[in-house]
Amino acid sequence: KNEVEQSPQNLTAQEGEFITINCSYSVGISALHWLQQHPGGGIVSLFMLSSGKKKHGRLIATINIQEKHSSLHITASHPRDSAVYICAVTETSGSRLTFGEGTQLTVNP
Amino acid sequence: EPEVTQTPSHQVTQMGQEVILRCVPISNHLYFYWYRQILGQKVEFLVSFYNNEISEKSEIFDDQFSVERPDGSNFTLKIRSTKLEDSAMYFCASTRQGGGTDTQYFGPGTRLTVL
Repeated sequence: KNEVEQSPQNLTAQEGEFITINCSYSVGISALHWLQQHPGGGIVSLFMLSSGKKKHGRLIATINIQEKHSSLHITASHPRDSAVYICAVTETSGSRLTFGEGTQLTVNP
Repeated sequence: EPEVTQTPSHQVTQMGQEVILRCVPISNHLYFYWYRQILGQKVEFLVSFYNNEISEKSEIFDDQFSVERPDGSNFTLKIRSTKLEDSAMYFCASTRQGGGTDTQYFGPGTRLTVL
């Protein structure tokens, strides 16, 4: 059974700061997903990656398969980035997502 | 842009009652999922569904739960006799392909409150 650990649990930043959220997992995966959950509860997929690095606007996600570790970076953070960011993995067998606890990000103006 | 829809957005029920949560996945998607999130906790997998049968299910998905695709568009989760601990947000998701390397698209969720 995969354990997905995220850090930090809570993060408060000032607008414009560079933000990093970390995720580690315990067993082999076929893909790692970064998701965003807004206060209303809805979940949006940000990235799915199985190797290397992906970039979308101010968001960058990286993964190191050997170290079983991924990071989500937000450059030039903005108050609208305030949300819960969730790391989830799909194991090599099956397609179910196993979720981390999430990181609550608050960006102050 | 196509999206997953769920109804109702909020359901309040009495303990012991049956509830049916409804989802309309994206139209060309073939794999469907239910997840739940108890308030303050992480999201948990319940069940996946492909080709009109369950592909995987978790320990949570016991005999009180069932899923169905009654027609070409709807995907439902039924809880036969609700318990207080079933109170949670229930999310439906869908993917075009299976195998774990496809983006999962989530619906907005149904908040279930069991009194």
